[in-house]
Amino acid sequence: LAKTTQPISMDSYEGQEVNITCSHNNIATNDYITWYQQFPSQGPRFIIQGYKTKVTNEVASLFIPADRKSSTLSLPRVSLSDTAVYYCLVGEGDSSYKLIFGSGTRLLVRP
Amino acid sequence: ETGVTQTPRHLVMGMTNKKSLKCEQHLGHNAMYWYKQSAKKPLELMFVYNFKEQTENNSVPSRFSPECPNSSHLFLHLHTLQPEDSALYLCASSQDTGMNTEAFFGQGTRLTVV
Repeated sequence: LAKTTQPISMDSYEGQEVNITCSHNNIATNDYITWYQQFPSQGPRFIIQGYKTKVTNEVASLFIPADRKSSTLSLPRVSLSDTAVYYCLVGEGDSSYKLIFGSGTRLLVRP
Repeated sequence: ETGVTQTPRHLVMGMTNKKSLKCEQHLGHNAMYWYKQSAKKPLELMFVYNFKEQTENNSVPSRFSPECPNSSHLFLHLHTLQPEDSALYLCASSQDTGMNTEAFFGQGTRLTVV
C-alpha cells in the first residue's frame, strides 16, 4: 500500500516561499498525488493534484520528479493565513481509491 | 462554502443519549464519507458510501451507525457513546471514489460526550 511521509512541522515567515516535501516510495503507476490544507476546526480543502512533472494553479505549485517517489508542494510568498496543516495523499494503488490522511505537516507562518 | 453542509455544528450529549449527525450535498456527487478527528490527530476514515452503498467500514464500533438514504444525504446515528468519542466529525463528498477525485468537506460537527 502506498504510504506518505512528511515533516511533522515547519516554520516560515511572511513573504517567504515554503516548500513541503512528501515521500511516497511505494507509489503505484496509476496513483495521483493530492494535497489538502486544513485550518483548525474546519474540514480539509483541496489545494492541488498532479501525476508527474509540474502543476501550477492560483494557490500553489506541485513538483513531481520523474521517479514519482516524492513530491513538493510550493507555496509562494506565504502569509499568516497560510498557517495550517498540509496533507499529502496518494492513492492506495488498487481499484478503490480511499481518501486516507496521514499526520500532515503543521506549517506556522510568523510575522 | 464548499457545498457540503453538516448539522448540527456543535453537539453535547450524554452517554445514554441517541443523536444523529446530518450531512447534505447538492454537488451531484456519488460518494460520501465520514471522518473522525480527535484533538491534534490525523483524520480517521470511518465510512465510505458510493452510489448509496457502503464500501468501507474502517473497523468502527457499532455505536456509530451510518445511513445513506440517497446520494445527497448521509447520516451518522450515535448511541451509547463514550467520552473518548468526543471529536470533530467531518463529512465529505466526491464525484466518485476514483483515484483522481477531489473531495469537498463540510465544516464538521464538534461532538462532546459527557
